[in-house]
Amino acid sequence: NAGVTQTPKFQVLKTGQSMTLQCAQDMNHNSMYWYRQDPGMGLRLIYYSASEGTTDKGEVPNGYNVSRLNKREFSLRLESAAPSQTSVYFCASSALESGRAWIQTKNIQYFGAGTRLSVL
Amino acid sequence: RKEVEQDPGPFNVPEGATVAFNCTYSNSASQSFFWYRQDCRKEPKLLMSVYSSGNEDGRFTAQLNRASQYISLLIRDSKLSDSATYLCALKGAAGNKLTFGGGTRVLVKP
Repeated sequence: NAGVTQTPKFQVLKTGQSMTLQCAQDMNHNSMYWYRQDPGMGLRLIYYSASEGTTDKGEVPNGYNVSRLNKREFSLRLESAAPSQTSVYFCASSALESGRAWIQTKNIQYFGAGTRLSVL
Repeated sequence: RKEVEQDPGPFNVPEGATVAFNCTYSNSASQSFFWYRQDCRKEPKLLMSVYSSGNEDGRFTAQLNRASQYISLLIRDSKLSDSATYLCALKGAAGNKLTFGGGTRVLVKP
């Protein structure tokens, strides 16, 4: 059981290049998230997908696009990378039970190992 | 004011000592609270949920103070392996999004 898998682990881009960060989870979770983490800024939500077929902006969506390809996979795309996008990117997933009383344990997010991205 | 605030530290703690730190939040509608642990260059991992009545997991005790809008984490009998950054996270009234604090760094020294 791999949990949340992110690829690549490291990437160096030149300004203006594009790339896609891949994320897959094998826990049958409904919700998936993309965060970036910068020194002193904590984790900031870029985009999230509450369920397959839906995506919503988080706190810092500018410069990014996402695709919820299926229930397992949620990708993050940088169309034209900028130095300000140098960061560590984490994907996460959590279970969301629709139509039931909310159970706190279902809020728990599980993270992938991260992608370290440098934009020169 | 940030929605979730933590003292960044570092808290330098002698091995075997007790350390405690807080996380304050501004949204009174926040419903669920968590402490995550993040080791250097690793992903965050859930340490424990925080329940209204307070809860304990081994050497770790979490408390919630809704009136003053903060949660706390206390680590007793600190081990060298407790050295990490501790992130608080909370869920609002709607949806499944979590908002994270910037983290508190703890360094346990021999």
